[in-house]
Amino acid sequence: QLLLQESGSRLVKPSQTLSLTCAVSGGSISSGGYSWSWIRQPPGKGLEWIGYFYHTGSTYYNPSLKSRVTISVDGSKNQFSLKLSSVTAADTAVYYCARFFTSADRYVDSWGQGTLVTVSS
Amino acid sequence: EIVLTQSPGTLSLSPGEEATLSCRASQFVRSIYLAWYQQKPGQAPRLLIHGASRRATGIPDRFSGSGSGTDFTLTISSLEPEDFAVYYCQQFESSLSTWTFGQGTKVEIK
Repeated sequence: QLLLQESGSRLVKPSQTLSLTCAVSGGSISSGGYSWSWIRQPPGKGLEWIGYFYHTGSTYYNPSLKSRVTISVDGSKNQFSLKLSSVTAADTAVYYCARFFTSADRYVDSWGQGTLVTVSS
Repeated sequence: EIVLTQSPGTLSLSPGEEATLSCRASQFVRSIYLAWYQQKPGQAPRLLIHGASRRATGIPDRFSGSGSGTDFTLTISSLEPEDFAVYYCQQFESSLSTWTFGQGTKVEIK
């Protein structure tokens, strides 16, 4: 069974960089047919896709966040990471890592439990 | 960029009633790229429907998806107590390689 587990700083000061890591077990992030993604949800609000990468190394970001987002991969540890720079209170959210099925239909088939990151001084 | 608009924002129904949730896209969406999720408080979303009409593994048959083009619908035929939650549609835009979610529909107990 695939498991995704987020970890990282839960409290970030404004203007600093948010950093999270998603550890994947029960499956390889290097396998085809999937992309690996970050999604966030501000308290009481809806879901927002942040970005994703394919096993080929290609990365894609939400245009509204692109200038501040970097997703990187560590295949040797089977994990991937999110960095979001110049954060403000609007970046306070539950951050999920997730796996997208991309072979034919496109959908999220596995989610991490989510981690709340608060931006505050 | 394709925008998904879900309606209504909130649906107040009683157990046993039928729920009809709408997801309208600002541009054409391929059916294979349209999915529906259920989210309960404090939990990650759960996949219900993919490919606009295909139920995910383990999803009861009271959940059904339909539609094509720009108009998609999630129907819950007879609401069970555990179905009161927030529902999101999601699409993949292949020309931009981007994903978007609708803003959600909350199904609450009347």
